[in-house]
Amino acid sequence: SQQGEEDPQALSIQEGENATMNCSYKTSINNLQWYRQNSGRGLVHLILIRSNEREKHSGRLRVTLDTSKKSSSLLITASRAADTASYFCATASSSNTGKLIFGQGTTLQVKP
Amino acid sequence: ETGVTQSPTHLIKTRGQQVTLRCSSQSGHNTVSWYQQALGQGPQFIFQYYREEENGRGNFPPRFSGLQFPNYSSELNVNALELDDSALYLCASSRDGGGGEKLFFGSGTQLSVL
Repeated sequence: SQQGEEDPQALSIQEGENATMNCSYKTSINNLQWYRQNSGRGLVHLILIRSNEREKHSGRLRVTLDTSKKSSSLLITASRAADTASYFCATASSSNTGKLIFGQGTTLQVKP
Repeated sequence: ETGVTQSPTHLIKTRGQQVTLRCSSQSGHNTVSWYQQALGQGPQFIFQYYREEENGRGNFPPRFSGLQFPNYSSELNVNALELDDSALYLCASSRDGGGGEKLFFGSGTQLSVL
């Protein structure tokens, strides 16, 4: 079973707008990561935030983590058509089993 | 593009057959993880290999098995294929298994079981 619940399942915005997607999880974590997937192919790592961090930035990406609520959000600012993809959160358990548990993903469409 | 390569890219099998999927990890990585992704779902962890030993397994039956070789490449074997095994199979490499560090994914093998 998957740990993460992502919200919304699908998001459609205009180019230039911001996109926010949310992820909730169930167990204690070492870190939380966000990945992007184009057209059902391989996933690409976007950003990693550790359990002792609250916010992290990378270019147009901003990730927040609230461990008390077991939730995270990914904000993409000034979106582009090329940002159209599926976005997944993944958690690394604090039990250090080595595996990442992925959510079901948010499908983002950015219209030109 | 990552340095992780998977073969074949597409495969069609019939129920009951066996399949072997292959993965070459990125240079410098000694850990390989395999994931199954059904259509419209997130990837589900199958197992991980670290320095040729299994280092964690997800909720998959024993007919899913794997190997890691001294050069850290890996194979995923699935016996007695079932229709529900139709999915995208993703291989990901990383450094020093465990710890949940970031993964570098291959482009996947799309398996169809008829």
